[in-house]
Amino acid sequence: AQSVTQLGSHVSVSEGALVLLRCNYSSSVPPYLFWYVQYPNQGLQLLLKYTSAATLVKGINGFEAEFKKSETSFHLTKPSAHMSDAAEYFCAVSDRAGTASKLTFGTGTRLQVTL
Amino acid sequence: ETGVTQTPRHLVMGMTNKKSLKCEQHLGHNAMYWYKQSAKKPLELMFVYSLEERVENNSVPSRFSPECPNSSHLFLHLHTLQPEDSALYLCASSQERTAGNTIYFGEGSWLTVV
Repeated sequence: AQSVTQLGSHVSVSEGALVLLRCNYSSSVPPYLFWYVQYPNQGLQLLLKYTSAATLVKGINGFEAEFKKSETSFHLTKPSAHMSDAAEYFCAVSDRAGTASKLTFGTGTRLQVTL
Repeated sequence: ETGVTQTPRHLVMGMTNKKSLKCEQHLGHNAMYWYKQSAKKPLELMFVYSLEERVENNSVPSRFSPECPNSSHLFLHLHTLQPEDSALYLCASSQERTAGNTIYFGEGSWLTVV
């Protein structure tokens, strides 16, 4: 069984400040890990993914995440927040077995960016 | 712009109605999914089709009936729904047996059951 825990349902940062969104996972097999973003009234857009090629993963819009096996974490960061980053962010884990990928999502973190 | 398109974007239906949600993927993928997104709950996987065969049905009530006529199209037939079924329904697709197996989502269909 696999699961994802996102710490903090709401995070507020000032424009230009560091963004840190936390994600811890549980998986019985080496996981694939994903971060998705959802803007208001839209579907989910892939930000980045970890597939074991490199522990530091760079994504779109200046975001990156680091896979830490010892901490079972995959936190999302961005050095400088922009107003356009305000959205809901979902961490997800996928098992590697079976005939089709199945993502297990966290409950999401809503990011607010203030002036 | 998305490679997965969903129609309609908004649907209001009565509890005795029959309606369908449609999804089409333009990415050449061979797996398709329905997810349900309700307020304050994690996204729930409802159905998975791989190579047009249903491979997952996560204890979804029979009032939801999926159909996958080919690898590009996916439907969710709705019948005698309940108000608690009001949610955002997301369709997604992926290419199986590739590293990472990224799942790509559509913009969703907002369903309100009255």
